[in-house]
Amino acid sequence: EAQVTQNPRYLITVTGKKLTVTCSQNMNHEYMSWYRQDPGLGLRQIYYSMNVEVTDKGDVPEGYKVSRKEKRNFPLILESPSPNQTSLYFCASRPGQTTSGANVLTFGAGSRLTVL
Amino acid sequence: KQEVTQIPAALSVPEGENLVLNCSFTDSAIYNLQWFRQDPGKGLTSLLLIQSSQREQTSGRLNASLDKSSGRSTLYIAASQPGDSATYLCAVPGVNFGNEKLTFGTGTRLTIIP
Repeated sequence: EAQVTQNPRYLITVTGKKLTVTCSQNMNHEYMSWYRQDPGLGLRQIYYSMNVEVTDKGDVPEGYKVSRKEKRNFPLILESPSPNQTSLYFCASRPGQTTSGANVLTFGAGSRLTVL
Repeated sequence: KQEVTQIPAALSVPEGENLVLNCSFTDSAIYNLQWFRQDPGKGLTSLLLIQSSQREQTSGRLNASLDKSSGRSTLYIAASQPGDSATYLCAVPGVNFGNEKLTFGTGTRLTIIP
């Protein structure tokens, strides 16, 4: 089944304890992206990647890091989490621009993170 | 900076009625507009994508329209069903970007009353 898989789905952690949220897709998609969703603010883009070793900032990159060493994986790293990073996080992917259906994003089920 | 607004934030409609959800955006220089559905505890599912050259896109009981000049899009749902209850979001690419950066609206939470 074609899907985007995020782990963990739920996590409670404490301020300053480094954590990584993994994202993996099995569709050979070039493009991957991370979003956070907060009440009243909607989804906001954190980082995106056009392909392996190519990443760029979205609208709210502060406090986050990403890497794209393999096509299928795009982990989100919080080096020193703070309470304002408590949120619902989504990973998404889609094909590259030159392929059919390139615009349609496939989302993971989300990871709910609480930072105490 | 592109801004996307969806009003109302919540809508309740009796089963069987037709309804329209609204999406407005501030910059009309967009490549496309997408409508998504989000169910509680789940990710977003793409419903329809309208290219900038199109005015309408249909999928089953759903019809999305796009008026770039006025900065508006609508999602029409015909013969609503309880299973249509969800939050509906629209999204457009950011100004001067292709599809790399999407700006989402805050969504309309739709409840279909049996």
